[in-house]
Amino acid sequence: DTEVTQTPKHLVMGMTNKKSLKCEQHMGHRAMYWYKQKAKKPPELMFVYSYEKLSINESVPSRFSPECPNSSLLNLHLHALQPEDSALYLCASSQETSSSYNEQFFGPGTRLTVL
Amino acid sequence: AQKVTQAQTEISVVEKEDVTLDCVYETRDTTYYLFWYKQPPSGELVFLIRRNSFDEQNEISGRYSWNFQKSTSSFNFTITASQVVDSAVYFCALSGRGSTLGRLYFGRGTQLTVWP
Repeated sequence: DTEVTQTPKHLVMGMTNKKSLKCEQHMGHRAMYWYKQKAKKPPELMFVYSYEKLSINESVPSRFSPECPNSSLLNLHLHALQPEDSALYLCASSQETSSSYNEQFFGPGTRLTVL
Repeated sequence: AQKVTQAQTEISVVEKEDVTLDCVYETRDTTYYLFWYKQPPSGELVFLIRRNSFDEQNEISGRYSWNFQKSTSSFNFTITASQVVDSAVYFCALSGRGSTLGRLYFGRGTQLTVWP
């Protein structure tokens, strides 16, 4: 099973809402990633979890809060977002992050619209 | 510093034409890895290939082929006899031993449109 799943597929939220994005993989991967992608741009790395510990935070605003409950699950909690946060949010996983060799497998993404 | 340049922003071809997507990279690492991903309109990035810096053999997979040339720091991707289903954004990416924790450096992508 080489699949990364993400829910929901689409999300519309107001600036005062609290919502969460969910990501799941069952490939036994120990590294999981959140990316943000704006239209016609490459994905931008936000967070990296390695063995369930946060290893990279790319200076992401605190209104984005990641969580890794276990090795298969990754959440992104959203609070007080701004309209400019509207984007496609992609989750990815790889065997581990200690090696640059490992390809990352991406989920289908959540299209987020902030009103 | 790691950098990937995909100079072609958009390419349009007619079905059955061959098309080559260019990728030029910069790195100071002696060991590094190059990747190609496909992103169809649905949004998911699909992994296509990984190539390490010590393996300059070209690779062919069906209609897809990749030409890796260290001398020109290029890792080009050719689709033979293109099909409408090949329409997507294609990203070239780089990861090096000097990269933090396997970070991927993406090019800006090439939008390929294949017309019937």
